[in-house]
Amino acid sequence: GESVGLHLPTLSVQEGDNSIINCAYSNSASDYFIWYKQESGKGPQFIIDIRSNMDKRQGQRVTVLLNKTVKHLSLQIAATQPGDSAVYFCAEPSGNTPLVFGKGTRLSVIA
Amino acid sequence: GAVVSQHPSRVICKSGTSVKIECRSLDFQATTMFWYRQFPKQSLMLMATSNEGSKATYEQGVEKDKFLINHASLTLSTLTVTSAHPEDSSFYICSARDSRREGYNEQFFGPGTRLTVL
Repeated sequence: GESVGLHLPTLSVQEGDNSIINCAYSNSASDYFIWYKQESGKGPQFIIDIRSNMDKRQGQRVTVLLNKTVKHLSLQIAATQPGDSAVYFCAEPSGNTPLVFGKGTRLSVIA
Repeated sequence: GAVVSQHPSRVICKSGTSVKIECRSLDFQATTMFWYRQFPKQSLMLMATSNEGSKATYEQGVEKDKFLINHASLTLSTLTVTSAHPEDSSFYICSARDSRREGYNEQFFGPGTRLTVL
């Protein structure tokens, strides 16, 4: 079946540096993607989304890039802060099917 | 908007007892809610899809008689873990879709319920 996966399970970043979290997807027909952030002991929180008719979308300190050619998605966090420490998931909503999560990437910010 | 709450946030129970977890959509209606389970250092695993007014759809390997789901209204779904055992200890997270937002499949997640079975 189609799946969404994460390249790296862990990422350590110095505070103030930029973070890049990658995600590969396999369904070339996917047209909508969401990044979620899950802090320890909490439920996932919506960070940013992007539709397939866009290559890039910016939020506050976060940017999502979509490369449909290689079916790759990335989340960039500028000036990473300790509060950014969490597990990040990319998700691929499709029709009425529930979200299926990959392993996620754990981001650790080193102060 | 789009807030999902869960109650309780944390529960400790003895083995063999039943525990009920509530999931509420506070400012929107949700004909469909989802229940996930997450073990330490693992990803969220979908347990079941809860449909208002009808039976839940369970994922393979999830016992429907052990994890009872009731979705009696457009804003409330409950998960009851019956005869809980220590291996049921986990972080249970519910999620809901806004029924009015056709074409937007974003799921809003609750804060989770930490279940510890002694």
